[in-house]
Amino acid sequence: DTAVSQTPKYLVTQMGNDKSIKCEQNLGHDTMYWYKQDSKKFLKIMFSYNNKELIINETVPNRFSPKSPDKAHLNLHINSLELGDSAVYFCASSLGAQGYGANYGYTFGSGTRLTVV
Amino acid sequence: QKEVEQNSGPLSVPEGAIASLNCTYSDRVSQSFFWYRQYSGKSPELIMSIYSNGDKEDGRFTAQLNKASQYVSLLIRDSQPSDSATYLCAVKAFKGSGNTGKLIFGQGTTLQVKP
Repeated sequence: DTAVSQTPKYLVTQMGNDKSIKCEQNLGHDTMYWYKQDSKKFLKIMFSYNNKELIINETVPNRFSPKSPDKAHLNLHINSLELGDSAVYFCASSLGAQGYGANYGYTFGSGTRLTVV
Repeated sequence: QKEVEQNSGPLSVPEGAIASLNCTYSDRVSQSFFWYRQYSGKSPELIMSIYSNGDKEDGRFTAQLNKASQYVSLLIRDSQPSDSATYLCAVKAFKGSGNTGKLIFGQGTTLQVKP
């Protein structure tokens, strides 16, 4: 199936730990994103990569570090996890970051529910 | 002022009625507009996109855009209980030459369709 897939789907961990979330898309898209959805369902962009190049880096604590080994993969590593990091993290992809890609919406992965205890 | 604003609801309509969901945005350079549907515990799913002023219809869904008023809406005709979900308005803007656009979401409107 063509899709954006994220692993793991659920992640429960203690404060202070380091964890990673992985994302892969087989849609042939060249741009990938990380979004955070808080308890009030508000979706906020964190990072975006276009062809392995970081193009969007919102005001996110530097404990969060994205990495894109190729345009089909985007990972998110989080150091020293805090209670406030608990949220659902969505990976998304799209075709083109600008220009001809202006009119494309994003395809979202199924999300990773992170709970920090 | 939030960049994209929606009434969080819940908006409750009877089955078979027309549901009207509204969204306003603050940035006049916004170019593309999207409606996503998100069921509880699921990921957002793109249902409509619109780029030009006017109406765009797709099945039971109609998106309406008025750039002068910075307003975009989604109408759902013949609402069904399966339409009960949170509807997210999203706006993409490109600022300056060479800058990359990003999709900015509103807080979503919860729709409840009662049988």
